[in-house]
Amino acid sequence: AQTVTQSQPEMSVQEAETVTLSCTYDTSESDYYLFWYKQPPSRQMILVIRQEAYKQQNATENRFSVNFQKAAKSFSLKISDSQLGDAAMYFCAFIDGGSNYKLTFGKGTLLTVNP
Amino acid sequence: KAGVTQTPRYLIKTRGQQVTLSCSPISGHRSVSWYQQTPGQGLQFLFEYFSETQRNKGNFPGRFSGRQFSNSRSEMNVSTLELGDSALYLCASTKGSSGGRETQYFGPGTRLLVL
Repeated sequence: AQTVTQSQPEMSVQEAETVTLSCTYDTSESDYYLFWYKQPPSRQMILVIRQEAYKQQNATENRFSVNFQKAAKSFSLKISDSQLGDAAMYFCAFIDGGSNYKLTFGKGTLLTVNP
Repeated sequence: KAGVTQTPRYLIKTRGQQVTLSCSPISGHRSVSWYQQTPGQGLQFLFEYFSETQRNKGNFPGRFSGRQFSNSRSEMNVSTLELGDSALYLCASTKGSSGGRETQYFGPGTRLLVL
């Protein structure tokens, strides 16, 4: 069974600074996908970024980028130039590349952005 | 394109009652997955439907059931409600043809409170 671990229950960052959220996972699969989702107080789960395991290049989406270390099974999220609107719960998630539609989530990291 | 919609957004029930939640996927998406989010257990996969058939199922008791209609809208039902069923119920949709390769897009959730 796959597991996803987020070791930082809470993080804080100053506006305009950079913050990195950590995530590790455990799987025996070779074909899988990793995601970071953001859940603001409105509770809507919003996709931040996605990484395919077969791609060596780290995914980036504007101010968001990941550091994907496949051998170490590590998938961290870097948020640059943090904005007040980035404050939210961030979830790391895993899914294998088969016909299973089950996302496995970490417990989440609550990010606070200080003005 | 309209996003995933869920109704109702909030619901209060008493123990022993049953409840039905509804989810309409993004237009053109035929797969709907359901998740339960609680502070204690985090996000857990309930089940996934495609073309009116349940394809994947999580580890929940039989009190939790679902169905999908020909227009891809899905409902989930919880019978004989327990206090522990209080949670945010999220649904997510994908096209449903490529398994884990597809990104799941979430609705705003239904918050259920069982008294």
